[in-house]
Amino acid sequence: AQKVTQAQTEISVVEKEDVTLDCVYETRDTTYYLFWYKQPPSGELVFLIRRNSFDEQNEISGRYSWNFQKSTSSFNFTITASQVVDSAVYFCALSGPYNTDKLIFGTGTRLQVFP
Amino acid sequence: DAGVTQSPTHLIKTRGQHVTLRCSPISGHKSVSWYQQVLGQGPQFIFQYYEKEERGRGNFPDRFSARQFPNYSSELNVNALLLGDSALYLCASSTTYLGQRKGSGANVLTFGAGSRLTVL
Repeated sequence: AQKVTQAQTEISVVEKEDVTLDCVYETRDTTYYLFWYKQPPSGELVFLIRRNSFDEQNEISGRYSWNFQKSTSSFNFTITASQVVDSAVYFCALSGPYNTDKLIFGTGTRLQVFP
Repeated sequence: DAGVTQSPTHLIKTRGQHVTLRCSPISGHKSVSWYQQVLGQGPQFIFQYYEKEERGRGNFPDRFSARQFPNYSSELNVNALLLGDSALYLCASSTTYLGQRKGSGANVLTFGAGSRLTVL
């Protein structure tokens, strides 16, 4: 069975602090895909990144970076120098190889960035 | 270009009633998926349609049904509403749903803003 765990329910930081959101996944598939989505108060899920199971290279996009480690089944997300606009709920998600529209989401981490 | 549009944005129903939610995908997207997001939880997969055929179904009762039209828009229907059906219903679209060859990327789902259903 597939499962995604986001153990951090809520994180509060002050602007300019760095913050890491944890994601641990379980799957028996050898090919799978991992995603991060952001959900601002408006409710719309905004895509941030996808990663396939064969690509363990870490990625950096501006203030965002992702650390994928198959050995620990983790796909963590770091925001550097956080800003108030980063306040949202962040979801990690997993899909198998045959239907990549069927995502298994974690329960989300609510990030609050205070000025 | 318009994103994924959903209607209505908010609605209130009473137990036992029926509801129809509508979704228009991004132009050129042939795959539409529906997710239910209960307050404080992550979205849960309900259905996926591609080329008007059901390609995936989550663990939801038969009270939930959906269909996709020739223009790729979609409807989600829920019969005999229960209090527990209160949730944000999200529609998402993509170009296709199949996983691709090793080394290439999966499709990315683009989500709409959702329809918030309250059942009293």
